[in-house]
Amino acid sequence: QKEVEQNSGPLSVPEGAIASLNCTYSDRVSQSFFWYRQYSGKSPELIMSIYSNGDKEDGRFTAQLNKASQYVSLLIRDSQPSDSATYLCAVGDGATNKLIFGTGTLLAVQP
Amino acid sequence: DADVTQTPRNRITKTGKRIMLECSQTKGHDRMYWYRQDPGLGLRLIYYSFDVKDINKGEISDGYSVSRQAQAKFSLSLESAIPNQTALYFCATSDPDRERHTQYFGPGTRLTVL
Repeated sequence: QKEVEQNSGPLSVPEGAIASLNCTYSDRVSQSFFWYRQYSGKSPELIMSIYSNGDKEDGRFTAQLNKASQYVSLLIRDSQPSDSATYLCAVGDGATNKLIFGTGTLLAVQP
Repeated sequence: DADVTQTPRNRITKTGKRIMLECSQTKGHDRMYWYRQDPGLGLRLIYYSFDVKDINKGEISDGYSVSRQAQAKFSLSLESAIPNQTALYFCATSDPDRERHTQYFGPGTRLTVL
């Protein structure tokens, strides 16, 4: 069974610090990777997608992909209390055209 | 206006009742999905539809049924609700031809079965 694994946290960081969120996946042939942010009781919101090895930056967010190690990460620079949420890693399953979600990492940014 | 809408947003019902949750989208996407989310268990796929004539079971379809009335509408029914179906339900859409596997979520329906 294809899996996406994340540390459930909580990951606690002080305001202004860099938050580093990690995700591993089991399907070696996956080609598309996503980070969603979910506030408590709200729907998941796409914040980053990445398809190639290396880094992809968008504002304070950087997604990093290493297909050889089957590892995806999300860095949040200058963390703000408003970044406090659960971050879901998702991996595209090319065989079924579905997304496989991790259970999420809870991030808490302390003022 | 939101691209993906869900109704109702909150629903409290009793065991044994039939419930329908509705999802509509204006994104023009062919693919639609129903998920449920429980604390600690993440998002679990109930049913998905790749077009109006294509409906597939997800990992937890027992006790649920769906109807794809049009490209823009996908409904989820609980034939006889039970308390362990209390959860947050999300509809999502995707267009793999333009945005590989990216899914966009509706605001969710919080369902409580007493």
